[in-house]
Amino acid sequence: NAGVTQTPKFQVLKTGQSMTLQCAQDMNHEYMSWYRQDPGMGLRLIHYSVGAGITDQGEVPNGYNVSRSTTEDFPLRLLSAAPSQTSVYFCASSRTSGGAWAKNIQYFGAGTRLSVL
Amino acid sequence: KQEVTQIPAALSVPEGENLVLNCSFTDSAIYNLQWFRQDPGKGLTSLLLIQSSQREQTSGRLNASLDKSSGRSTLYIAASQPGDSATYLCAVIYNQGGKLIFGQGTELSVKP
Repeated sequence: NAGVTQTPKFQVLKTGQSMTLQCAQDMNHEYMSWYRQDPGMGLRLIHYSVGAGITDQGEVPNGYNVSRSTTEDFPLRLLSAAPSQTSVYFCASSRTSGGAWAKNIQYFGAGTRLSVL
Repeated sequence: KQEVTQIPAALSVPEGENLVLNCSFTDSAIYNLQWFRQDPGKGLTSLLLIQSSQREQTSGRLNASLDKSSGRSTLYIAASQPGDSATYLCAVIYNQGGKLIFGQGTELSVKP
């Protein structure tokens, strides 16, 4: 099993450019989420999904879009990149136990390091 | 506001020493608590998960305890090794929504 795979590992963007961060998991997990990690701020939740076709906002959703068309994939879109979006982005997934996904371990990808100039 | 605090921010110990990392949370109504390890430039690896009804979990040289009433968790590492050097993160979940609230982490260095 590959687990949670994120691509690309590194990316440099110019202000105003758009891009999509890819996240795929092969564990048939229903719950997936995106976090950003910033020095002094820790990890903060951007968006999450409890299954295909269902998404919701986290703590810092502005400037980001998500969709969940399949169980396996959960891409994160930056609509118009800003320097404030320079960060390390992590995707996570977990299985559910009768809908109680919070009981289960969350697995993280290796991260995407994004710089916006 | 639901917050998670980890003390100390950094810790350096000689190889072989037993050590304790601390995590405190402001709201005791947690659903579960997870300890993660993060190596430099890498993702997070889950070490232990403690559900709210549990008092502790063990995996090899690691033991995590949970005291909901006092809002505290500890991660005990026995017989530390240089390979244990990493940042250790504590995170809590307050409801079935799955949102992890992270502490800032403790950066551990184990010297040979």
